[in-house]
Amino acid sequence: AQKVTQAQTEISVVEKEDVTLDCVYETRDTTYYLFWYKQPPSGELVFLIRRNSFDEQNEISGRYSWNFQKSTSSFNFTITASQVVDSAVYFCALTNTGTASKLTFGTGTRLQVTL
Amino acid sequence: DTGVSQDPRHKITKRGQNVTFRCDPISEHNRLYWYRQTLGQGPEFLTYFQNEAQLEKSRLLSDRFSAERPKGSFSTLEIQRTEQGDSAMYLCASGKDRGSSGANVLTFGAGSRLTVL
Repeated sequence: AQKVTQAQTEISVVEKEDVTLDCVYETRDTTYYLFWYKQPPSGELVFLIRRNSFDEQNEISGRYSWNFQKSTSSFNFTITASQVVDSAVYFCALTNTGTASKLTFGTGTRLQVTL
Repeated sequence: DTGVSQDPRHKITKRGQNVTFRCDPISEHNRLYWYRQTLGQGPEFLTYFQNEAQLEKSRLLSDRFSAERPKGSFSTLEIQRTEQGDSAMYLCASGKDRGSSGANVLTFGAGSRLTVL
């Protein structure tokens, strides 16, 4: 069985602070994919990143960066210099190649960025 | 293409009534998924289609739920004899089958929020 744990229910930061959202996953598969999605108040889940289990290189995209560590089964997401527009619920998700891309989601972390 | 469209965005109904939600996926996507999201939780998989074939249904999908994708394009999700526990956001997503190349990226719609009184 697959499981994704996002232990942080809610995080509040002041604009321009850096913030890290934690994601810990469980799977018995050797080949799997990890995702992060953003869900703003409008409700639509917005894709941020996909990472496969064989690629442990960290990735940076603008103010966003991801730290994938297989040794600790973690795929953490950092926002640098947060902005009010980053306020949303962020979901980490997991799938393997045999499940037709069905995603197992964590419970999400609500990020509130204030001025 | 404007993405995945869902209709209606909001539905309020009385317990025992039937409701139907529609999803229009991205046109070139052959896979279509339904998820349910309750307050404070992540989305949970309900079912998915590859073209017009419904290939998997979650145990969450009781007999009162039925989904169709008649021509491999749009899909409908019907809930019969609604119960208060059915209150949730119903999310539709679509994606392309990548075969052995790995997991595809799902594009989600904005969801249909159901409130059962």
